[in-house]
Parts: sequence; C-alpha cells; structure tokens
Amino acid sequence: SQQGEEDPQALSIQEGENATMNCSYKTSINNLQWYRQNSGRGLVHLILIRSNEREKHSGRLRVTLDTSKKSSSLLITASRAADTASYFCATDAGRRYSTLTFGKGTMLLVSP
Amino acid sequence: EADIYQTPRYLVIGTGKKITLECSQTMGHDKMYWYQQDPGMELHLIHYSYGVNSTEKGDLSSESTVSRIRTEHFPLTLESARPSHTSQYLCASSGEGGSYGYTFGSGTRLTVV
Repeated sequence: SQQGEEDPQALSIQEGENATMNCSYKTSINNLQWYRQNSGRGLVHLILIRSNEREKHSGRLRVTLDTSKKSSSLLITASRAADTASYFCATDAGRRYSTLTFGKGTMLLVSP
Repeated sequence: EADIYQTPRYLVIGTGKKITLECSQTMGHDKMYWYQQDPGMELHLIHYSYGVNSTEKGDLSSESTVSRIRTEHFPLTLESARPSHTSQYLCASSGEGGSYGYTFGSGTRLTVV
C-alpha cells in the first residue's frame, strides 16, 4: 500500500493566490520530501523536512510536518503560471537501505 | 555540469523486441533507482542499486532487469517487450546522507505496440 497520499488530487487557482497541498503517510519516517513534475517529465526536488522539524521555508515554499498526525502540507505563496505542475510528496523511512515512497500527487493549475 | 541523463526520450517498439533504457549520472552518486509511472499516477520503484555490482528489486514486480557495472551507469533491460510494459520509466540518483533528495532524469516514455 502506498505510503504518501496527497490531497487534493487537483487544484485550480488564479495567479497571485496561495496554493496548499496536503500529504498523509502511514509509517514512521526519517524525512519527507516534496517534488514537482512538469508535463510528465522528470521530478525536481523542492524541499526536504526532517522528522524532528516542524516547519521549513524555501523562497515561496513553506512546508509543515506533523508527525503525530502523520501529515505534511506544502504552501506555495503568490503562485505564478509557471508553478503549474504536479506536486508529489515522498517519504524516507530512514533505514540504511530505505528508498523513497511517492504519493499519487496533486495536479496544480495556475491561470494567468 | 553534474546531471543525470536518460536515453531515449521516447521509444515506440514492437512486441517481443529486446530493449535497453539508458541512464547515466555525472555526480558520482552511489545510489541509483528506476521508477515506473503511468500517466497521472504515482511512481513505483522497480529497481535500485547502492553501488557497483549491487542491484535490488523494488516494490513493484517488474519483468525488467538492471545492471550496475560502473558507478555512473544503470541501464534497464526488457528481454521481450509487451504492451503491458507501456509506461514512463524514470531514473534517479542520490548521494550519501539523504539530505538532498533524489535527482531525476527526464524519463523515457515507452510504447509497445
């Protein structure tokens, strides 16, 4: 069964608005990561938050992590048309030979 | 410039053909991965490697095989392609410590007719 599950599945907003995407997971993690994918191409790493962190910022991105609820959120502020993409969360269980487990993603459409 | 390269970008091939999808990285990463992704769906890990001569199967059963003879090269081979193999295949690599996430290639979109 998948580890990460994003919500909503799709989100449509206007330029300048904020976009919030949520991710829930099932087992304990070492860190949680967010990725962006444009038009079905390769994924681009956006931000990583460790299990002992609650909030992290990178430019217009803000990520929160609540390990008690096993959930994370990604906030994109002042969105632009170029932010249109699919966003995936991925969890790292932290074992020596662990790999990332990805959710189904949220498709974000930002209209000019 | 350090990067990860996948070729071909698109491949249309007939049933029964043998194919190899290429993946190379110039970052010196020990860890490399192959994910399979259908349109609009999540990524499924099909193979990974933690170094030369080390390969493991992922969570999703796959009829493909991989090899890791050189650190920078992690090719994926399908001995006999079938329409059910139609999908996008994404290669990725990561360094030690897991602090920087994965670097992905642009993917190979495979269509088996």
